[in-house]
Amino acid sequence: GENVEQHPSTLSVQEGDSAVIKCTYSDSASNYFPWYKQELGKRPQLIIDIRSNVGEKKDQRIAVTLNKTAKHFSLHITETQPEDSAVYFCAAWPLNFGNEKLTFGTGTRLTIIP
Amino acid sequence: DGGITQSPKYLFRKEGQNVTLSCEQNLNHDAMYWYRQDPGQGLRLIYYSQIVNDFQKGDIAEGYSVSREKKESFPLTVTSAQKNPTAFYLCASSEGATGPTYEQYFGPGTRLTVT
Repeated sequence: GENVEQHPSTLSVQEGDSAVIKCTYSDSASNYFPWYKQELGKRPQLIIDIRSNVGEKKDQRIAVTLNKTAKHFSLHITETQPEDSAVYFCAAWPLNFGNEKLTFGTGTRLTIIP
Repeated sequence: DGGITQSPKYLFRKEGQNVTLSCEQNLNHDAMYWYRQDPGQGLRLIYYSQIVNDFQKGDIAEGYSVSREKKESFPLTVTSAQKNPTAFYLCASSEGATGPTYEQYFGPGTRLTVT
């Protein structure tokens, strides 16, 4: 089955700086890669996703990059703000295959220092 | 935050007792999922169902059971066979792998404590 590794487990950055979270996956059949944000005491929510036919996707201060050859994808947050403090989860999903489920990484706790 | 609900928010049970966690959605989603969240271990899949009357084991199904008799409901039973049941349980739903979107919508979670 799929295995997703996520690094780092914790990350602290100064407000206004950029943050990068990296994930690797093992199953070359995975073709959908979402990122979820979970604020303290709240439920996880999708913030951005990317399909394997796209190398990069951007939404305001958030971007995701995908390297299919290396089986590696990353979340980039620019101009960080206090409300970016949360736990972020990456995931991989082999759509259109029998094993139709998401596999999540172990999460990154991001802290923005004012 | 509406659309998928879980009850209760907190649940306390004695060791050896079975307990059922409720999950209901009104999003007309085909697929539903149960995850367990422990500190430092992310979201681990317990069971999932892509359609009514059908479900599959996830990565950590031992000691758990589910049913999917209605599209809106996917209850999870934590049995006495689950060795370490104390955890935060999250239910989610989605349109499924057939899309057109793949976003999973999560419920607010149930924190189960077994003593």
